[in-house]
Order: sequence, then C-alpha cells, then structure tokens
Amino acid sequence: GESVGLHLPTLSVQEGDNSIINCAYSNSASDYFIWYKQESGKGPQFIIDIRSNMDKRQGQRVTVLLNKTVKHLSLQIAATQPGDSAVYFCAENPTGRRALTFGSGTRLQVQP
Amino acid sequence: DGGITQSPKYLFRKEGQNVTLSCEQNLNHDAMYWYRQDPGQGLRLIYYSQIVNDFQKGDIAEGYSVSREKKESFPLTVTSAQKNPTAFYLCASSIATPSYEQYFGPGTRLTVT
Repeated sequence: GESVGLHLPTLSVQEGDNSIINCAYSNSASDYFIWYKQESGKGPQFIIDIRSNMDKRQGQRVTVLLNKTVKHLSLQIAATQPGDSAVYFCAENPTGRRALTFGSGTRLQVQP
Repeated sequence: DGGITQSPKYLFRKEGQNVTLSCEQNLNHDAMYWYRQDPGQGLRLIYYSQIVNDFQKGDIAEGYSVSREKKESFPLTVTSAQKNPTAFYLCASSIATPSYEQYFGPGTRLTVT
C-alpha cells in the first residue's frame, strides 16, 4: 500500500550544527506535506508544511525541501538547539484520501 | 485560550470494559480526527469526521466507535472488541479536510490490564 517512510530512525547532532531529516514518500499524487515535532508524552506540534506546487519553503530556522522527481521530502533545522530534541514526523495527503498519512518518525538527539 | 483538550491524560481500565476518551476543540474547526500511537511508531488513523453528524472509518477502526453530535466534540469509545487497546491516543482538528494543518491535543494514555 501507499506509505510514508523515513531513512534514519535516530539522528544525533552537536548543538549549533545544522540537522537534516529525510522522508521518502511513495504516493506521487500527494499534494500536501507537513512536518511535525513530538516531544515525549505530548501531542505533535506543527513545524512547517509545503504544497506540491512548491519545491522549498522556509520558516524560522527550518526549511522544507520537496523533490517530486524522487519523491523525497526533507526538513532542515539551522543551528540546532537542545530544545529541538524530539521525534520528527513527516506526513502526506494522498489525493483522494481525506486525512494525512504519517511516517514512522525520526528521533533527533542534540548533544550539548 | 484556543486549542484542543483531551481528558484524562492517563486512563486505566480492566480488560472487557468499554472506555470513552474525550476530545474538545474551540478552534471552530469542521474536521476532527482520532489517531493511535504505539511506542516508537507513527500515528495511525482510527476515525475522522469532516462535519457534524458525519464520520468515516480510518485505517484501524475495528474495535472503536465515535460520534460527532456537536462541532466542538468528537469522543472516541474503545470497546472490548479492540484486541490491543493499550496505546497513546491523539485527537486532532483542522479547518477542513484534507490538505490543511492538523492541530493536536495533548493525548490520552490508555492502559488496559
């Protein structure tokens, strides 16, 4: 079936470095993608989203890149801070589906 | 203070009992969702509702039931038919479906023994 997956289950970075979290999606008809951050025991928090008619979108310290040719989504976090430590999920909205499909998540660990 | 509330945060039940999880939103959103999250895994869709008095099954609806009698409320009942009910349950809402940001509540951790 259609799925959203991640390349790396755990990513460890030094404080101040840039982080890149990757996500592969399989449904080429998906028209909307979103990244969430989830801290332990809490609900996911919105980070940034992007629609399929865009390749790149920037927020505060975060950038999402969408490569539709290879069906790849990435989240870049600049100057990673200890507070960025969490699990990050990508999600897509396949055309015809009335809800998001979530990937399994990547844990980001920021070393001081 | 707008948002989504879920109660209680922790819930314990004996096997064979039905249990209802509460979800309320004051964001005036039309769409609401229930997800299940197991340790170290992503979110799986149980049910969703695009509008009052309407709801649709998600990917893992068996053993669960919902109602949407009010725009603000979308309670989830975990029935005794659900084989593995112990999990973290998350409620979310969005302005509409499908391609809009979903706002999540803090979650309810259900433990069934």
